[in-house]
Amino acid sequence: EAQVTQNPRYLITVTGKKLTVTCSQNMNHEYMSWYRQDPGLGLRQIYYSMNVEVTDKGDVPEGYKVSRKEKRNFPLILESPSPNQTSLYFCASSLSPGPTIYGYTFGSGTRLTVV
Amino acid sequence: GEDVEQSLFLSVREGDSSVINCTYTDSSSTYLYWYKQEPGAGLQLLTYIFSNMDMKQDQRLTVLLNKKDKHLSLRIADTQTGDSAIYFCAGGSGNTGKLIFGQGTTLQVKP
Repeated sequence: EAQVTQNPRYLITVTGKKLTVTCSQNMNHEYMSWYRQDPGLGLRQIYYSMNVEVTDKGDVPEGYKVSRKEKRNFPLILESPSPNQTSLYFCASSLSPGPTIYGYTFGSGTRLTVV
Repeated sequence: GEDVEQSLFLSVREGDSSVINCTYTDSSSTYLYWYKQEPGAGLQLLTYIFSNMDMKQDQRLTVLLNKKDKHLSLRIADTQTGDSAIYFCAGGSGNTGKLIFGQGTTLQVKP
């Protein structure tokens, strides 16, 4: 089944403890992106990647890192999480960086709570 | 910068039509999309409209695009309780592949 897989689905952590949220897609998509969803704010882009080894900042990159060493994987790293990073995170992928009729394929989300 | 705006909440009775509205600022979007998010799930692409179209119909869904007013709407005919969800409109931004999302409209369908 074509899909974007995120892990974990739920995570509660403490301030300052490094964590990684994994994202993997099996559709050979070039483009991958991370979004965070907060009530009343919609989805805001954190980072994106146009292809392997090519990453760039989105609208809210502070406090996050990403890497794209392989085409299928795009992990999101929080080196020192803070409570304001408590949010619902989505990984998404797309066949190509440009617009298509398929839009993005989204993962199921990771609900992160930082205490 | 680019912006997409939606009203936050809509409540309808089962069997009525629902109309969810969206306004956007970036007129360069090639496609405009509607996504549906059910509780506890990710976003699923519901439908899209190409920027040179005025209307697109897909079963119970009708998308209207008014390019002059930069207004997009999604009409759901014969709304069912299973349509209760958050609906996001989104538009493309330039050639970075970034989709700009609205805040999401929560559709509540009462039996």
